[in-house]
Order: sequence, then structure tokens, then C-alpha cells
Amino acid sequence: EAGVAQSPRYKIIEKRQSVAFWCNPISGHATLYWYQQILGQGPKLLIQFQNNGVVDDSQLPKDRFSAERLKGVDSTLKIQPAKLEDSAVYLCASSLASRPDTQYFGPGTRLTVL
Amino acid sequence: TQLLEQSPQFLSIQEGENLTVYCNSSSVFSSLQWYRQEPGEGPVLLVTVVTGGEVKKLKRLTFQFGDARKDSSLHITAAQPGDTGLYLCAGTGGSQGNLIFGKGTKLSVKP
Repeated sequence: EAGVAQSPRYKIIEKRQSVAFWCNPISGHATLYWYQQILGQGPKLLIQFQNNGVVDDSQLPKDRFSAERLKGVDSTLKIQPAKLEDSAVYLCASSLASRPDTQYFGPGTRLTVL
Repeated sequence: TQLLEQSPQFLSIQEGENLTVYCNSSSVFSSLQWYRQEPGEGPVLLVTVVTGGEVKKLKRLTFQFGDARKDSSLHITAAQPGDTGLYLCAGTGGSQGNLIFGKGTKLSVKP
């Protein structure tokens, strides 16, 4: 069974530029999560989707971050404009809707903002 | 706000030694998970504990959930270099059952 796929794996941009990350969850997983992991910290949930609807985006900085999951499968997370403090690993995870406690993570995208 | 404190933050040991890492909170969690994360990879789920006092074993790893479901420990027997990584605990909380992660324990096992 294929795992969670993410791209790109690495991205370097300058502050005030825009960037987008892509995630393809495990087939059949209705719930998709985006996390931000700053160096030395544990992952922090940014947004949770159930199919194509947002369940929780309380920790998403909505002035610069946006995410969508239009067809209920793939998802895109965008940052516009990026700030230095956005440098982090962005992890995508997915789970069955009935098992939010069992999440499978992708390899992440390491973003460096210069 | 539910928080998980992990200790120690860093641990460097020799191959063959035993170790225990801790995950503590003032909040009750319905379940608690342990993940291991290697550099450049996402976290990989090791175990989920649900019942207070529960003990689960995974080869040389022993996981325990506190009776009050506020804390957990991970014990590794005879550590090997392949055990090196970041060990994260995560509790299930919030209205959507979301995971709340601790900051992790960075383990280095030297041959």
C-alpha cells in the first residue's frame, strides 16, 4: 500500500515570496492533516480536512496561509507571502475518519525562507 | 490548553544500555501515541495506548500509560544504533480528537 506522498521535499525561497506544497494521502483516508514542525519542536496542527471540508483550522495563520482539498483527495498548502519564521518542515498526514488517533505521515517538505 | 512535556530533551547513550523517556501532562487524554521520527522523514507510529495502567511491548520497547491517563513512559532495553531518532508522544484531545504533540526526546545510540 502506498504511503502519504508529498512534494517538493525541499524548497528555498526568499521572504515575501510565495510557495505551495502538495500532498496525496493514503487511498481511502477521508481525513487529511497539515502540520508545521519547527526545528526542535513537535508537529503543530495547522489544518484538518474531512473529505473536502475544513474541520479545524484554528491554528492556521489565515492572513498568509491557505489550504484546499477540492476533490477530497489531494491537498495543497500555500504560504503567501512567506516570512522568515515560516522556515520549518511541513508534514501531511492522513487517517481513516473513524481513527484520528492513528495518523500516517508523509516525509514532509523542508522549507527555508531566506 | 492541553500540553505534553517530554523528558529528557536529549539523550546520548552507548549501545547495549537501557533507557527510559517520559511524557507528562496535567490533562487527561483518551489515548496516547508514541512516534519515532528519523531525520528527513515523517513520524512513524510505534504504539497507541488507551487504557490507564496499560503496558504494551514491541520487541525491546516497553510502553506504559499512567493509571490516570495523564502520563506515559517508553523504556528501551539494550539500545541499538538503529534506535537513534526523535521520539514523540502525542495525546488525542480537542473536539475533533486531534493529536497534540510533545517536543520530543532526541535519542542518539553510539556503537
